[in-house]
Amino acid sequence: DQQVKQNSPSLSVQEGRISILNCDYTNSMFDYFLWYKKYPAEGPTFLISISSIKDKNEDGRFTVFLNKSAKHLSLHIVPSQPGDSAVYFCAAGDPMNRDDKIIFGKGTRLHILP
Amino acid sequence: DAGVIQSPRHEVTEMGQEVTLRCKPISGHNSLFWYRQTMMRGLELLIYFNNNVPIDDSGMPEDRFSAKMPNASFSTLKIQPSEPRDSAVYFCASTLAGTYNEQFFGPGTRLTVL
Repeated sequence: DQQVKQNSPSLSVQEGRISILNCDYTNSMFDYFLWYKKYPAEGPTFLISISSIKDKNEDGRFTVFLNKSAKHLSLHIVPSQPGDSAVYFCAAGDPMNRDDKIIFGKGTRLHILP
Repeated sequence: DAGVIQSPRHEVTEMGQEVTLRCKPISGHNSLFWYRQTMMRGLELLIYFNNNVPIDDSGMPEDRFSAKMPNASFSTLKIQPSEPRDSAVYFCASTLAGTYNEQFFGPGTRLTVL
């Protein structure tokens, strides 16, 4: 049973436009959310995170929005660049675990079109 | 500065054979995670260690899988006997223990069981 769901396996966006990647979660105890980015033949790398006390966190071209009532978060990339083509994983942490364990979604493959 | 090191990068074996995957975490990190990535299940946590002690192995699929961390700089994931359904990419990640600190992933081991 997936606690973190990324329902879109893939997404194609024109270069220069906005990319929006979505993520839903089922566990209301999750209080910390992260996005990781993965290129082929490499391990995932941390991109951006957000605590449940916030509804928005921005880092350059990347912004994560959190809607706790809907148990939904999204990653916005503006403007999209060719180097953004990768698989993006949404992840969440449960404070009840009192450790570093995080639960990942299945990932969304983003294609930036020239 | 070396990141997380995994070996081998690729492993092809026949059903029934023993497979051992190796991981060297980043020096100074005291939490280590083993993940498996498949198309069907995404990135799933198998087991993680804190200060060389296994904390949560609930993600280990069955008794054929075992993991050890004999010291702070080395961990192994063993599959015995291996089966075709074990074919996946296996990642090791490490972090400095503390709530939701960024996990640093190795490049992964692509395992193919024929």
